[in-house]
Amino acid sequence: EPEVTQTPSHQVTQMGQEVILRCVPISNHLYFYWYRQILGQKVEFLVSFYNNEISEKSEIFDDQFSVERPDGSNFTLKIRSTKLEDSAMYFCASRLLGTGSNSPLHFGNGTRLTVT
Amino acid sequence: AQSVTQLDSHVSVSEGTPVLLRCNYSSSYSPSLFWYVQHPNKGLQLLLKYTSAATLVKGINGFEAEFKKSETSFHLTKPSAHMSDAAEYFCVVSGGDDKIIFGKGTRLHILP
Repeated sequence: EPEVTQTPSHQVTQMGQEVILRCVPISNHLYFYWYRQILGQKVEFLVSFYNNEISEKSEIFDDQFSVERPDGSNFTLKIRSTKLEDSAMYFCASRLLGTGSNSPLHFGNGTRLTVT
Repeated sequence: AQSVTQLDSHVSVSEGTPVLLRCNYSSSYSPSLFWYVQHPNKGLQLLLKYTSAATLVKGINGFEAEFKKSETSFHLTKPSAHMSDAAEYFCVVSGGDDKIIFGKGTRLHILP
């Protein structure tokens, strides 16, 4: 069964550094998402992406964050200047159809980002 | 806009007894509803989804959920808990926009 894959599984970075989290969504899916889960807390929506542009974003997704689909297969989340509070598990997800459909999200296994 | 409330942050049941994890939602649109499970240090796995074809939805590992529009609920049940069911369970709602919203999660503990 096709899967969403995320790399790396664990990333350690120093405060102020830039990080790029990578995801390969399921190949025929059209809608892509990033979520984060701070340890012990709920899963929070960050951003959704369709047709090479952001379709929705949350208050968390400020100017420090950006997303890109550089080559038709990868979907990346960049944090420009990391803060301690960015430490979290970041989940990528994709789904075949979008708004108004019951197409479920398929999640990757996550990247644990630790900012020191 | 949509929202989802999981009424219990922790639920403990004995092995072999029924499981009930409660979820209420609100949505301006006809919602799509899902349950996901997260085992410790693992990713998020789809348990089941509400498709509007049937109000009682069967998922993997013996779980079911019933969509009740009048109560705006989508509670997750299982007739007989197994030790391997110990995990975090998330109720998820998708409505008229692309912000798919997670509930805060319910941690299910299984007592031997």
